[in-house]
Amino acid sequence: EDQVTQSPEALRLQEGESSSLNCSYTVSGLRGLFWYRQDPGKGPEFLFTLYSAGEEKEKERLKATLTKKESFLHITAPKPEDSATYLCAVQAQGSSNTGKLIFGQGTTLQVKP
Amino acid sequence: EPEVTQTPSHQVTQMGQEVILRCVPISNHLYFYWYRQILGQKVEFLVSFYNNEISEKSEIFDDQFSVERPDGSNFTLKIRSTKLEDSAMYFCASIRLSVMAETQYFGPGTRLLVL
Repeated sequence: EDQVTQSPEALRLQEGESSSLNCSYTVSGLRGLFWYRQDPGKGPEFLFTLYSAGEEKEKERLKATLTKKESFLHITAPKPEDSATYLCAVQAQGSSNTGKLIFGQGTTLQVKP
Repeated sequence: EPEVTQTPSHQVTQMGQEVILRCVPISNHLYFYWYRQILGQKVEFLVSFYNNEISEKSEIFDDQFSVERPDGSNFTLKIRSTKLEDSAMYFCASIRLSVMAETQYFGPGTRLLVL
């Protein structure tokens, strides 16, 4: 069964304190791995797509990396406005697959000034 | 920048009532999805829709649920007889083509509360 597990569930950082969020996945052939940001009461906001092991993508203070079993979202020198829940989702290969995303439970990040 | 829109933003209903949640996907997108998120839980896939028919549905998407694209712009999710456990945020998403893991763009969601 395709599965996504994120850790930690919650993370508190001081402003400027860098850290990483983990997303472990088990999927029958990875088509793509997605990172989203979700603010309370809002829809997921797209951050990155990664397709193959070794791939990296960056955007401002965020950097996403991918291996064959997991992905990391590195946050460098975070600011309070980076506080949000970060969601990881995978899309599996397969003839029956229609692009559905399988989500992890998210990591809620709080950055204190 | 084009975006997915959803209405209403909030809906309160009595158990057993029918609700229709509406979505306007990005205009040139061809694949449409509904997901739900119960408070404090994961975002869960409900259904995907392409070429005016359901292409995949989850176990959650039982006979009480239906989807429709009544015109060229709207995409709706109907819950025929709501239950307390249907209370959740419902998100619509769309993509242009189902190739190479194209990014799904999500709407802001409809918060459904069943009393």
